[in-house]
Amino acid sequence: KQEVTQIPAALSVPEGENLVLNCSFTDSAIYNLQWFRQDPGKGLTSLLLIQSSQREQTSGRLNASLDKSSGRSTLYIAASQPGDSATYLCAADNYGQNFVFGPGTRLSVLP
Amino acid sequence: DAEITQSPRHKITETGRQVTLACHQTWNHNNMFWYRQDLGHGLRLIHYSYGVQDTNKGEVSDGYSVSRSNTEDLPLTLESAASSQTSVYFCASSEKKGTGELFFGEGSRLTVL
Repeated sequence: KQEVTQIPAALSVPEGENLVLNCSFTDSAIYNLQWFRQDPGKGLTSLLLIQSSQREQTSGRLNASLDKSSGRSTLYIAASQPGDSATYLCAADNYGQNFVFGPGTRLSVLP
Repeated sequence: DAEITQSPRHKITETGRQVTLACHQTWNHNNMFWYRQDLGHGLRLIHYSYGVQDTNKGEVSDGYSVSRSNTEDLPLTLESAASSQTSVYFCASSEKKGTGELFFGEGSRLTVL
């Protein structure tokens, strides 16, 4: 059974810093890995989807990488802004299962 | 723009009552999912459907049911609400298994007293 973990659970950084969020999964037989953002009291907003044949995806200041062999994905946020403050979740879409979510990393970007 | 709409957004009910949460998507996606989100447990899959007339149990399906009579809708029913079902419920959809990006609704906050 797939298990997804995220480290750190919470992170606080000053505005302008580059930062990395980590996602680990136990079963490398995945179709896709997807990163989401969740603001308090809101639904999940899709940020990036990395298919199993890809190594990374980029959108604006966000870059997500995928290393299936090591069971890891990272989300890199460049030049962080207070508006980036949210909880970031990753989810692995497995063969024979559906998306399994990590617990999330709560990010605070301080002005 | 395509979207997923959940209703009601907030509901308070009493133990033992039947509750139905609605989910309507305009993406024309085959796959639809219901999750619940609780502190300390993250997002857990309740039920899912890969198409009309198809429904399947997820990780935490006890006390819940779904039906899929058309592509757009997957209502979630709590047959006899319990306090343990107090949670935030999210509906999601994707185009096809293995290819699809997952899209979420805004959530329904349910309180069972």
